[in-house]
Amino acid sequence: AQSVTQLDSQVPVFEEAPVELRCNYSSSVSVYLFWYVQYPNQGLQLLLKYLSGSTLVESINGFEAEFNKSQTSFHLRKPSVHISDTAEYFCAVSASEYGNKLVFGAGTILRVKS
Amino acid sequence: DVKVTQSSRYLVKRTGEKVFLECVQDMDHENMFWYRQDPGLGLRLIYFSYDVKMKEKGDIPEGYSVSREKKERFSLILESASTNQTSMYLCASTPGASGRRYEQYFGPGTRLTVT
Repeated sequence: AQSVTQLDSQVPVFEEAPVELRCNYSSSVSVYLFWYVQYPNQGLQLLLKYLSGSTLVESINGFEAEFNKSQTSFHLRKPSVHISDTAEYFCAVSASEYGNKLVFGAGTILRVKS
Repeated sequence: DVKVTQSSRYLVKRTGEKVFLECVQDMDHENMFWYRQDPGLGLRLIYFSYDVKMKEKGDIPEGYSVSREKKERFSLILESASTNQTSMYLCASTPGASGRRYEQYFGPGTRLTVT
């Protein structure tokens, strides 16, 4: 069955430290990959996406993610986090074997401490 | 900018009531989706629609139905609300014939409590 695994339910980190939020998926065919962010009491917003081309994709606020086909991973990284990055982050995958729908991971809560 | 609006941010209903959750998008998107979000489970797809009057079951359709009479509006209906339907409900839309590689645009969510 299709699945998206976010390995950490919560990640506490101090401000200005680096962070990695992990995401693995089970599809073996070509995929489209997304990271969404949900700030408290808000809907989801797209953070970044991989459709094709360069395997390293970046967002406007300093996050980046790398598509690793051999490891079926799409981990999210930021070299230095801010308090304002505190939010829940969802990895999502779309592939033909998922019926062309988005399948979401369970989410990772990033808590940035001062 | 694409805007997806949901009729209520917070809703409290009693067990057995019929509940309507409304979603409207203003960008002429073909595809619309209803998800529920629960802690530790992420987002789970309830129903989706690729066109007017068209609907398909998602992963957890039991206890829900939907209606899409106009392209911009997608309604989620709880025929007889139960306490296990207490959740955050999110609507999303996306353009394109299949919607596969397009960003989904989300509404702010409706937090439904069934007592």
